Amino acid sequence: QQPVQSPQAVILREGEDAVINCSSSKALYSVHWYRQKHGEAPVFLMILLKGGEQKGHDKISASFNEKKQQSSLYLTASQLSYSGTYFCGTDANTGNQFYFGTGTSLTVIP
Amino acid sequence: DTAVSQTPKYLVTQMGNDKSIKCEQNLGHDTMYWYKQDSKKFLKIMFSYNNKELIINETVPNRFSPKSPDKAHLNLHINSLELGDSAVYFCASSQGWARTEAFFGQGTRLTVV
Repeated sequence: QQPVQSPQAVILREGEDAVINCSSSKALYSVHWYRQKHGEAPVFLMILLKGGEQKGHDKISASFNEKKQQSSLYLTASQLSYSGTYFCGTDANTGNQFYFGTGTSLTVIP
Repeated sequence: DTAVSQTPKYLVTQMGNDKSIKCEQNLGHDTMYWYKQDSKKFLKIMFSYNNKELIINETVPNRFSPKSPDKAHLNLHINSLELGDSAVYFCASSQGWARTEAFFGQGTRLTVV
């Protein structure tokens, strides 16, 4: 039930791009993305509510492929402030089922 | 003005004790949640309350009980604490269930010794 994220961890140099994937075994109504910095609470990035929708947030954007039950988070021209653990959260079509993914640790180095 | 606040921030207690964690939100949201984050950083939803009614009760031990005196508060009471309960517990709130942005409290680090 918990969505699986890949990769588990990634290290980038400033300015590089990264893609984080989130895959669910259930049909999805929506996908959420959050970032959690060490020792802090998760912070909302975006929600994708429609299949195929792509949303942007500065240099962070995401897509949602409803058919494949997958979402991807795209980070372009990464900055040091992007470091943290990224979680997808999925809301299934059936009933009140919301689960956070397994998490992806992203470290940006100078 | 803190949107979602939970107390205490740290809690160290002995096995077998009973403890409570309090949560309050001033955002006017109608849904509140409790999450547990373990040492591997997995975030697991424990409970959520929508308009004072429990709408999710995941398979957590019945030693854990949520209590919501009103829409702005969702407290977590834990009986007979065990070593495995050690984790960070986050309270969160949103407008509507899981369909909008959730705001998280700063977390309570519970250590059972």
